[in-house]
Amino acid sequence: EAGVAQSPRYKIIEKRQSVAFWCNPISGHATLYWYQQILGQGPKLLIQFQNNGVVDDSQLPKDRFSAERLKGVDSTLKIQPAKLEDSAVYLCASSLAASTSTDTQYFGPGTRLTVL
Amino acid sequence: GNSVTQMEGPVTLSEEAFLTINCTYTATGYPSLFWYVQYPGEGLQLLLKATKADDKGSNKGFEATYRKETTSFHLEKGSVQVSDSAVYFCVTVDTGRRALTFGSGTRLQVQP
Repeated sequence: EAGVAQSPRYKIIEKRQSVAFWCNPISGHATLYWYQQILGQGPKLLIQFQNNGVVDDSQLPKDRFSAERLKGVDSTLKIQPAKLEDSAVYLCASSLAASTSTDTQYFGPGTRLTVL
Repeated sequence: GNSVTQMEGPVTLSEEAFLTINCTYTATGYPSLFWYVQYPGEGLQLLLKATKADDKGSNKGFEATYRKETTSFHLEKGSVQVSDSAVYFCVTVDTGRRALTFGSGTRLQVQP
């Protein structure tokens, strides 16, 4: 079974530029998550989708971050404009359903963003 | 919301040594608890989980017991191998939001 795919794996941009990350979850997984992992810290949830609807975006900085999940499959996370403090690894995860709190989340390899 | 505190690393052990990585949590109610592991160059993956008090999660020789009295979920392994070198995250789930809350991670280095 294919895992969660993410691209690109690495991205370097200058502050105030825009950037987009792509995620393809495991086939059949209804729930998709985007996490931000700053160096030396644990991942922090940015946004959670169930199918193509947003379940939780309370931690998403909406003035510069946006995300969408068209057709309930792939997802894109965008930052515009980027700030130095956005340098982090952006992780995508998926789970079969969000009906229980024990549902296992499967993580992709992440995109490492460096903002100069 | 929930929070997790785990011991800082790096933890450096010799092969076949005993491992303990401490983890305590704060939460309302009784959240499920997890340990996730990140091997070098790989994505995060679930190592083990426990869903209620006194449950013991186990996998690949690792164990952790959900202790409600001490709000702890310490990770243990009796004999570590070089291949266990990785970053280990203690995680709780916020049942209200269903979002995972991660600790800061503990890097384990096992030397031959």
